[in-house]
Amino acid sequence: DTAVSQTPKYLVTQMGNDKSIKCEQNLGHDTMYWYKQDSKKFLKIMFSYNNKELIINETVPNRFSPKSPDKAHLNLHINSLELGDSAVYFCASSPTGGSNQPQHFGDGTRLSIL
Amino acid sequence: AQTVTQSQPEMSVQEAETVTLSCTYDTSENNYYLFWYKQPPSRQMILVIRQEAYKQQNATENRFSVNFQKAAKSFSLKISDSQLGDTAMYFCAFKYAGNNRKLIWGLGTSLAVNP
Repeated sequence: DTAVSQTPKYLVTQMGNDKSIKCEQNLGHDTMYWYKQDSKKFLKIMFSYNNKELIINETVPNRFSPKSPDKAHLNLHINSLELGDSAVYFCASSPTGGSNQPQHFGDGTRLSIL
Repeated sequence: AQTVTQSQPEMSVQEAETVTLSCTYDTSENNYYLFWYKQPPSRQMILVIRQEAYKQQNATENRFSVNFQKAAKSFSLKISDSQLGDTAMYFCAFKYAGNNRKLIWGLGTSLAVNP
């Protein structure tokens, strides 16, 4: 049983295109996250939602727009893709936003911009 | 700004031996949580161990244990009886107490376990 699932696992597209990455968790968690991991493996939080409400919004270009239709889903839409967007994007979830709670990660989506 | 420093970009260890990965952090707060995550080549991020700052006792999970030195702001991970499957990137992370706080990540240590 997959706990946090992301689709697609790989995404190769041209600069300037618009694309979406979907994330679903079946753990019953209230809080979901999007991270970006660059080529040097540095992990950076992008967004966090708690029960469909935006909680954390780091300095991310407006081209990135998260959408949470319900607390089990947090999708990431990216407009006008740029070369610098190439990275691995991870979705994660935790029971609530409590600090002692570990986050459960998806397998990541490798986005490659040509 | 809060930072998490992992001073060893790469390490290697022989199978069955013990290895320690270092992590230091910078904070003026007293309540926080510390985590070690593992990212194998399969890419998935997996929790290894966590420590509450208010607990003096070091956390242990099977072959994985930490040496938490609060005054020194140090949180090292010890892997005993290393196995080939331990080969991975290891990330140290820090989180303040309270709801909806973000994880602050180190840059990771790439560990290779050699047969």
